[in-house]
Amino acid sequence: GENVEQHPSTLSVQEGDSAVIKCTYSDSASNYFPWYKQELGKRPQLIIDIRSNVGEKKDQRIAVTLNKTAKHFSLHITETQPEDSAVYFCAASLGTASKLTFGTGTRLQVTL
Amino acid sequence: DTGVSQDPRHKITKRGQNVTFRCDPISEHNRLYWYRQTLGQGPEFLTYFQNEAQLEKSRLLSDRFSAERPKGSFSTLEIQRTEQGDSAMYLCASSAGQGAGANVLTFGAGSRLTVL
Repeated sequence: GENVEQHPSTLSVQEGDSAVIKCTYSDSASNYFPWYKQELGKRPQLIIDIRSNVGEKKDQRIAVTLNKTAKHFSLHITETQPEDSAVYFCAASLGTASKLTFGTGTRLQVTL
Repeated sequence: DTGVSQDPRHKITKRGQNVTFRCDPISEHNRLYWYRQTLGQGPEFLTYFQNEAQLEKSRLLSDRFSAERPKGSFSTLEIQRTEQGDSAMYLCASSAGQGAGANVLTFGAGSRLTVL
């Protein structure tokens, strides 16, 4: 089955700096790659997603890039703010089955 | 109906007891998923339904676990003879299953299980 690895496990940046989180996946047939943000004690919430027919997608301060050849995708957050502090999970799924396989998460802390 | 609802939010039980969790998905979503999340880990897939049909079960789902979605709306997840290793957050999610949002999962707040 699919295996998703995520790095780093923790990331601390100063407010205003950029943050990058990277994930790799094992199944070349996977074609949907969402990113979820989970604040302490709350539910995971989708922040951005990308499909395999697209190399990059941007939504305000958040962008995701996908390299199908290398089987990796990354989340980029620019101009970080304290409210960006949370755990971020990448995930991958195959076809229409939409069973997501999650990475182990990255705890992002944005310091003032 | 503005989201995925789960009940109860917290459950503390003694080892060996049975517990049941309920999930009410977004009403127009035909797919429903159960995930388990332990501290410091990402959600792990347990099982999912399309309407009332259970289409896939993870190897993580031992014989003590059973899930149902009898009318294709709400779902229940039952754990029999609970063990301390079952302590986790049980997350339910739903998705439209078709169209542009087919793969987009909306999660509930979860049911936290503590087995003493």
